[in-house]
Amino acid sequence: AQKVTQAQTEISVVEKEDVTLDCVYETRDTTYYLFWYKQPPSGELVFLIRRNSFDEQNEISGRYSWNFQKSTSSFNFTITASQVVDSAVYFCALSETLNNNAGNMLTFGGGTRLMVKP
Amino acid sequence: SQTIHQWPATLVQPVGSPLSLECTVEGTSNPNLYWYRQAAGRGLQLLFYSVGIGQISSEVPQNLSASRPQDRQFILSSKKLLLSDSGFYLCAWSLGQGYNEQFFGPGTRLTVL
Repeated sequence: AQKVTQAQTEISVVEKEDVTLDCVYETRDTTYYLFWYKQPPSGELVFLIRRNSFDEQNEISGRYSWNFQKSTSSFNFTITASQVVDSAVYFCALSETLNNNAGNMLTFGGGTRLMVKP
Repeated sequence: SQTIHQWPATLVQPVGSPLSLECTVEGTSNPNLYWYRQAAGRGLQLLFYSVGIGQISSEVPQNLSASRPQDRQFILSSKKLLLSDSGFYLCAWSLGQGYNEQFFGPGTRLTVL
């Protein structure tokens, strides 16, 4: 069975600090996708990134960067120069194919609550 | 562009009452649709998914049910709510093939008293 572990349940930083959110996954699939979502206080999950299992290049988008390490089954997320607006719960997720092979099901980690203080 | 709607945004219901939550998607055809529940302070639990009209798969046995009467409409129901049904219910959609990301609606916060 697939599993996603986000060991950090809560992180608190001061604005402008860099912060890394850890994500470790388990899967028997050779082809899979990894995702990060942000859940601000409003509750809606906002899609941040998708990464496939064949692409281990790190990705940077503004202050966000992602480090995919297949050898350690990790997909960590770093926020550089954090801001108060980054305060949210962040979820890492792993996809597997639905039984009828027509779509995908996401297995979510437990989430990491990030609090950025001014 | 695609949008996903959920209503109501919040709901307070007594134990034993029925439930109907609605989700609609605009701007795409034949999406996969999903219902998740998020208990307070916890992660997301997949409840149901649907790959087409009238096709519903349940991931967790419970007193909830789902229906998909139209291509872009997904309904979550219960005949009798339990206290344990309280939570934040999220609807999501994804494209029908491959390992595509899911896009989430604004959610419904349900409190059962």
